Amino acid sequence: NAGVTQTPKFQVLKTGQSMTLQCAQDMNHNSMYWYRQDPGMGLRLIYYSASEGTTDKGEVPNGYNVSRLNKREFSLRLESAAPSQTSVYFCASSFVDSPYEQYFGPGTRLTVT
Amino acid sequence: QQQVKQSPQSLIVQKGGISIINCAYENTAFDYFPWYQQFPGKGPALLIAIRPDVSEKKEGRFTISFNKSAKQFSLHIMDSQPGDSATYFCAASKGDGQNFVFGPGTRLSVLP
Repeated sequence: NAGVTQTPKFQVLKTGQSMTLQCAQDMNHNSMYWYRQDPGMGLRLIYYSASEGTTDKGEVPNGYNVSRLNKREFSLRLESAAPSQTSVYFCASSFVDSPYEQYFGPGTRLTVT
Repeated sequence: QQQVKQSPQSLIVQKGGISIINCAYENTAFDYFPWYQQFPGKGPALLIAIRPDVSEKKEGRFTISFNKSAKQFSLHIMDSQPGDSATYFCAASKGDGQNFVFGPGTRLSVLP
């Protein structure tokens, strides 16, 4: 089992460029999450998907879009990157009835210049 | 919007000592309180979790103490080891994953 995988590991973008962060899990989890981690801020939820076909905004959704492609995959898209989106992005997954037990991917370190 | 407060921001402990990290929450609807451990360059991993109807939970050297009336909970690491050096996040969960909040984290360094 690979668990939760994320690609790419590192990315540098110029302001205004777009990109998609990919996430996949092989644990048969229903729920998937995208977080951003900034120093002193902990992890903040960007978007959440309880199941295939559903997505909900989290605490900091502005500037992001998501797609729950199927049960395994959940992608995060930045349409027009801004320096404020420089962060480490984590994807996570869980069973829908145990949201406190989330399994995290290794993260994507994104720098926007 | 910080619904979970955590202190201290950083902590240095000698090997064999006790590490204590404290958290406080505001929303009494939270029904699960997990702690996550994160090593540099890795994603967080669930360490231990507690429900509000329990005052204490112990797993090995890690213990959560929970005070429902004060809306506080803490993580105690007994006999701290250099391998415990990591960032620790408390969190609170209510219902589904959309209502899952992390504290800002505590960076623990255990000196050999």
